[in-house]
Amino acid sequence: EAGVVQSPRYKIIEKKQPVAFWCNPISGHNTLYWYLQNLGQGPELLIRYENEEAVDDSQLPKDRFSAERLKGVDSTLKIQPAELGDSAVYLCASSLEAAGINEQFFGPGTRLTVL
Amino acid sequence: SQQGEEDPQALSIQEGENATMNCSYKTSINNLQWYRQNSGRGLVHLILIRSNEREKHSGRLRVTLDTSKKSSSLLITASRAADTASYFCATLNSGGSNYKLTFGKGTLLTVNP
Repeated sequence: EAGVVQSPRYKIIEKKQPVAFWCNPISGHNTLYWYLQNLGQGPELLIRYENEEAVDDSQLPKDRFSAERLKGVDSTLKIQPAELGDSAVYLCASSLEAAGINEQFFGPGTRLTVL
Repeated sequence: SQQGEEDPQALSIQEGENATMNCSYKTSINNLQWYRQNSGRGLVHLILIRSNEREKHSGRLRVTLDTSKKSSSLLITASRAADTASYFCATLNSGGSNYKLTFGKGTLLTVNP
C-alpha cells in the first residue's frame, strides 16, 4: 500500500515569493491534515479536512496561508508571500474516519527554507 | 500550543539497554499515542493507548498511562541502533473535535552501537 506522498521534498525560495506544497493521502482516507514542524519541536496542526471540507483551520494564518482539497483527495497548501519565519517542515497526514481512534499516517514532509 | 511534554529532551544509551521516555499532558484525553521520527523523515505511528487502559505492549514497546497523574511512559527494551530517532507523544483530546492530535516536543533517543 502506498503511503502519503508529498512534493516537493525540499524547497528554497526568497522571502516574499509564493510557494505551494502538494499532498496525496492514502487511498480511502477521508481525513487529511497539514502540520507545521519547527526544528526541535513537535508538529502543530494547521488545518484538517474531512473529505473536501476544512473542519478545523483555526491555526492557519489566513493572511498568507491557504489550502484546498478539491474532490476530497489531493490537497495543496500555499503560502503567499513567504516570510523568513515560515522556514520549517510542512507535513501532510491522513487517517480513516474513526470516532475516537485516530492513527495518522504521515508523509515525509516538505522542508521549506526562506532566504 | 503543545499539550504533551516529553522527558527527557535527549537520551543516549548503549545498544541492548532499555530506554524509557515520559510524557506529561494537561487536559483530559481520549487516547494517547506515541510516534517515532527518524531524521529528515515523517512520523511513524508506534502505539495507541486509550484513556481506560493502563498498559499496552507491542513487540519491544511497552506503554503505560496514568490518567490521575496525566502522564505516560514509553519503554523500549533491548534497544538497537536502528531505534535512534525522536519520539513524540500525542494526545487526542476528549470532547469537541475527535480528530485533533496535539504533539509534545519529543525526546531525541540515540542508541550507540
